[in-house]
Amino acid sequence: ILNVEQSPQSLHVQEGDSTNFTCSFPSSNFYALHWYRWETAKSPEALFVMTLNGDEKKKGRISATLNTKEGYSYLYIKGSQPEDSATYLCADDYKLSFGAGTTVTVRA
Amino acid sequence: GAGVSQSPSNKVTEKGKDVELRCDPISGHTALYWYRQSLGQGLEFLIYFQGNSAPDKSGLPSDRFSAERTGGSVSTLTIQRTQQEDSAVYLCASSLFGTNHNEQFFGPGTRLTVL
Repeated sequence: ILNVEQSPQSLHVQEGDSTNFTCSFPSSNFYALHWYRWETAKSPEALFVMTLNGDEKKKGRISATLNTKEGYSYLYIKGSQPEDSATYLCADDYKLSFGAGTTVTVRA
Repeated sequence: GAGVSQSPSNKVTEKGKDVELRCDPISGHTALYWYRQSLGQGLEFLIYFQGNSAPDKSGLPSDRFSAERTGGSVSTLTIQRTQQEDSAVYLCASSLFGTNHNEQFFGPGTRLTVL
């Protein structure tokens, strides 16, 4: 049983469209939430570390929000590009629990 | 500087054989983690080393799995009497404990195939 859940498991996006997906985690004993991007044949790379309720982080066209009271985080990709194709993982730092990931495929 | 390295990158073995997977963390990183990803599954935590503390072995799936970290640096994950269900990508990560909420830096992984 995963403590951290991500949905959807996969999604296909047309190039130029925006998309978002969810990470839910136990709200008790919250410490930090990490987002990673894992491209095929590469190592997972850190995107964001989020700690405070209401946090919003941004890196280029990718942004994330955090709600620690209800236990969820959203990752947004604006104007998706083929290079955004990857599996996006979130992790609950307290239990070192990773979600199963959301695999994003951007179609040109 | 050098990132996390793992060896071998690929390992094919026969059922019942023992295998050793190596991880070289980033120099100075005090924490080291092992994960695996089986086909179609998420990233599964295996074991966590932090400094001189006793490792957190709560994720090891069976007593056939063990790991050591020598001198607070290099780590070896050993799987004895491998089974086909052990086939997975084994990832190692390291972090500087207490920095940026333990942001982890991952190695390229070892793809293990048990025939």
